[in-house]
Amino acid sequence: GESVGLHLPTLSVQEGDNSIINCAYSNSASDYFIWYKQESGKGPQFIIDIRSNMDKRQGQRVTVLLNKTVKHLSLQIAATQPGDSAVYFCAENRGYAGRRALTFGSGTRLQVQP
Amino acid sequence: DGGITQSPKYLFRKEGQNVTLSCEQNLNHDAMYWYRQDPGQGLRLIYYSQIVNDFQKGDIAEGYSVSREKKESFPLTVTSAQKNPTAFYLCASSSGLAGGDTGELFFGEGSRLTVL
Repeated sequence: GESVGLHLPTLSVQEGDNSIINCAYSNSASDYFIWYKQESGKGPQFIIDIRSNMDKRQGQRVTVLLNKTVKHLSLQIAATQPGDSAVYFCAENRGYAGRRALTFGSGTRLQVQP
Repeated sequence: DGGITQSPKYLFRKEGQNVTLSCEQNLNHDAMYWYRQDPGQGLRLIYYSQIVNDFQKGDIAEGYSVSREKKESFPLTVTSAQKNPTAFYLCASSSGLAGGDTGELFFGEGSRLTVL
C-alpha cells in the first residue's frame, strides 16, 4: 500500500559530523513534504519543508533534498550537536481531494555521541 | 503567545470509562487535527476538521469521537469502544484551505493517556 517510511530506525553520529536521515515515499501525487523533530515527551517541531516543484531547500544547518524520480527524501544536518538528538519524522501531504492532513513515517532516532 | 494548548498532560482512566482530551488554539487556524502516537512509532491520524462544525475520520477513528463547535477548540473523546487507548495523543492545527494551506502543522505538547 501507499506509505511513508524510513530506511533506518536509529542513526548514531559523532558530535560535529554531518547527519543524513532518509525517507522513502510511494505516492507520486504527494506535493508537499515536511521534516519534524520530536524530543522525548514533547510534540513534534517543524524543521524544514519542501514542495514537489523543488529538489533542494536549505535552512540553518539543515538541508532537505527531494528526488521525485526515486521518491526519496533526505534531511541533512550539518555539524551535528548534542541538542540535535531526537526522533525525526518525514511527513507528506498526499494532496488528494478533501484531505489536507499530513501522513507521517515511523521516525528515525538520531543519537549524537559526544 | 500564540500556540496550541492540550490538557491534561497526563491522564489515567479505568477500563470502560470515556475520557475527553482538550485542545485549544489561538493561532486563528481553520484546520485542526488529532494524532495518536504509540511508543517507537509514527503519528497516525484519528480525526481532522477543516472548518467549524465539520470533521472527517482519519485512519484510526474507531473508538474516538470529536466535535468542532468553535474555531479555537477541538476536543477528542476516547470512548470505551477503543480497545487499546493507552497512547500519546497529539493535537495540531494548520492555516487550512481558507488561509492558503502550506501543509505545515503546529503541534501541542501532547496528552499521555494510560488505561489502568
